[in-house]
Amino acid sequence: NAGVTQTPKFQVLKTGQSMTLQCAQDMNHNSMYWYRQDPGMGLRLIYYSASEGTTDKGEVPNGYNVSRLNKREFSLRLESAAPSQTSVYFCASSVHGGGFNSPLHFGNGTRLTVT
Amino acid sequence: AQSVTQLGSHVSVSEGALVLLRCNYSSSVPPYLFWYVQYPNQGLQLLLKYTTGATLVKGINGFEAEFKKSETSFHLTKPSAHMSDAAEYFCAVSGLNNNDMRFGAGTRLTVKP
Repeated sequence: NAGVTQTPKFQVLKTGQSMTLQCAQDMNHNSMYWYRQDPGMGLRLIYYSASEGTTDKGEVPNGYNVSRLNKREFSLRLESAAPSQTSVYFCASSVHGGGFNSPLHFGNGTRLTVT
Repeated sequence: AQSVTQLGSHVSVSEGALVLLRCNYSSSVPPYLFWYVQYPNQGLQLLLKYTTGATLVKGINGFEAEFKKSETSFHLTKPSAHMSDAAEYFCAVSGLNNNDMRFGAGTRLTVKP
């Protein structure tokens, strides 16, 4: 049972390059999320998808785009990478969007460095 | 809006000693409170959560937390630390929806032999 799978695990980009981070879950969850983790700042929500076919901005959406490809997959795209986007990116999913009885399940992260 | 403050970015205890990780929250609605644990090179795992009802919440691996509304606190404790508890711990608060969830900056727990 894989849970939430993220690819790649590591990536180095030059400023201005683009890339897509992939995320897939096999738990039949409705809601999916992208977070970034920076030292001393915890996790901050970039974008989320409450259900298939919908996406919404989170706390720090600038410089990113997302696609909910189907119920299983939720990708994050950096169109023109900047050094400020150096971070560890986590994908998460939950049965539905309600926090009280639908906890988040996290992938193992993608460590991105932009030079 | 919700926010979380974790007191102490790094806590060090001896094996067998009490673990106390502090978390204070701010919320404009009745809060749902969570503790997550992150082991090296892994994602976050849910340790325990408070939604409604009993204010003392028990989680996995012997951890528990007490919701104190008057103090706006949700501190995490474990009576006796084990080497395997070494990890980073995140407190989080949310309203009704997961997209409202806000995480604290994290506390790295070191356990000395």
